[in-house]
Amino acid sequence: KAGVTQTPRYLIKTRGQQVTLSCSPISGHRSVSWYQQTPGQGLQFLFEYFSETQRNKGNFPGRFSGRQFSNSRSEMNVSTLELGDSALYLCASSVSGGQGTGELFFGEGSRLTVL
Amino acid sequence: GESVGLHLPTLSVQEGDNSIINCAYSNSASDYFIWYKQESGKGPQFIIDIRSNMDKRQGQRVTVLLNKTVKHLSLQIAATQPGDSAVYFCAGTNTDKLIFGTGTRLQVFP
Repeated sequence: KAGVTQTPRYLIKTRGQQVTLSCSPISGHRSVSWYQQTPGQGLQFLFEYFSETQRNKGNFPGRFSGRQFSNSRSEMNVSTLELGDSALYLCASSVSGGQGTGELFFGEGSRLTVL
Repeated sequence: GESVGLHLPTLSVQEGDNSIINCAYSNSASDYFIWYKQESGKGPQFIIDIRSNMDKRQGQRVTVLLNKTVKHLSLQIAATQPGDSAVYFCAGTNTDKLIFGTGTRLQVFP
């Protein structure tokens, strides 16, 4: 069974640009969550999608957005990039969703560097 | 606000010894906790979880202890191996959001 797949694995952008990251969850998983991981802040919750609807959202500015498609694949977008957006962006899927209902399966992340 | 944290940023243990990684949380309403292991260059990997109606749960070489009175949980790894070297995160939730701690780096030396 394939795991969670994130693309691209690495990317470099400049300030002011935008970026789109993609996540394919494990087959049969309907919930996709996104996290930002930085050395100083650890893992910070961005948002969760379930059945194409955003079910939960963390404390990030509106520049961070996401969506989920009917096949459960998800994308997140960051507009007007800032230097502080440099981080590892992790996607996690679960069967039924809900942060407290079961283990999350993480992808290997997309490492974004903003210059 | 609610927080989940770990006591030590780094823990060094000798191969074969037992490791204990600690975690404290602030929200007494948190009812579900998970431990994750993250190896270099990889995403976090589920190790073990525990619900608040339990105070102990065992897996293969790992045990999680939950003390709701002092809002503390720990991960015990028996007979630590070099492959256990990683960053360990605890995470807690009050059903709608999973809050991660900042992680403890476990270093295993021969």
